Amino acid sequence: SAVISQKPSRDICQRGTSLTIQCQVDSQVTMMFWYRQQPGQSLTLIATANQGSEATYESGFVIDKFPISRPNLTFSTLTVSNMSPEDSSIYLCSAPGTSAEQFFGPGTRLTVL
Amino acid sequence: KNEVEQSPQNLTAQEGEFITINCSYSVGISALHWLQQHPGGGIVSLFMLSSGKKKHGRLIATINIQEKHSSLHITASHPRDSAVYICAVEPTNTGNQFYFGTGTSLTVIP
Repeated sequence: SAVISQKPSRDICQRGTSLTIQCQVDSQVTMMFWYRQQPGQSLTLIATANQGSEATYESGFVIDKFPISRPNLTFSTLTVSNMSPEDSSIYLCSAPGTSAEQFFGPGTRLTVL
Repeated sequence: KNEVEQSPQNLTAQEGEFITINCSYSVGISALHWLQQHPGGGIVSLFMLSSGKKKHGRLIATINIQEKHSSLHITASHPRDSAVYICAVEPTNTGNQFYFGTGTSLTVIP
């Protein structure tokens, strides 16, 4: 199994600021995924982060708002830019294990005031 | 329209009860996952299924590919099973993108 850690686990931020969330996997993975879970909602895929190439964003999400870095095969960051209260969510990263199961990080709970 | 439907949305059970959560989907899939999300937000992958049945401890997951349906069963439920259970499917030919159900919130009362 893969172990995934995320930092920070939670944060409270002011409107207009940006927050970078880090995701670390304990093994090398080609693809990493970033999800958002708004209050009371299911998970929504934001983007797929491939090492060595630009992230692929889902409909409704853009790079300017959610820039992603993928500097190596074990690490990725997601930045939530110019935050508004509507960005208050849990942000999760995930990666596939060797048996194609998906492993998720513990999540980052973001509150924007 | 949601590609993945779960039922029930909310479920309250007495400790020891047998629990079933259902998941129906409308697309062709390569795999189905059952996930558990605790109140802190962290998600644990319980099962990945492409056919048949899997068992892990008190948890059993089944899938019927022809009927596009899966069930998650919890035997001898315990308050620590209280969590949101999410069904997620991997559609065929879309890489690793998932479609998620809206989750079933389970509360087990001592």
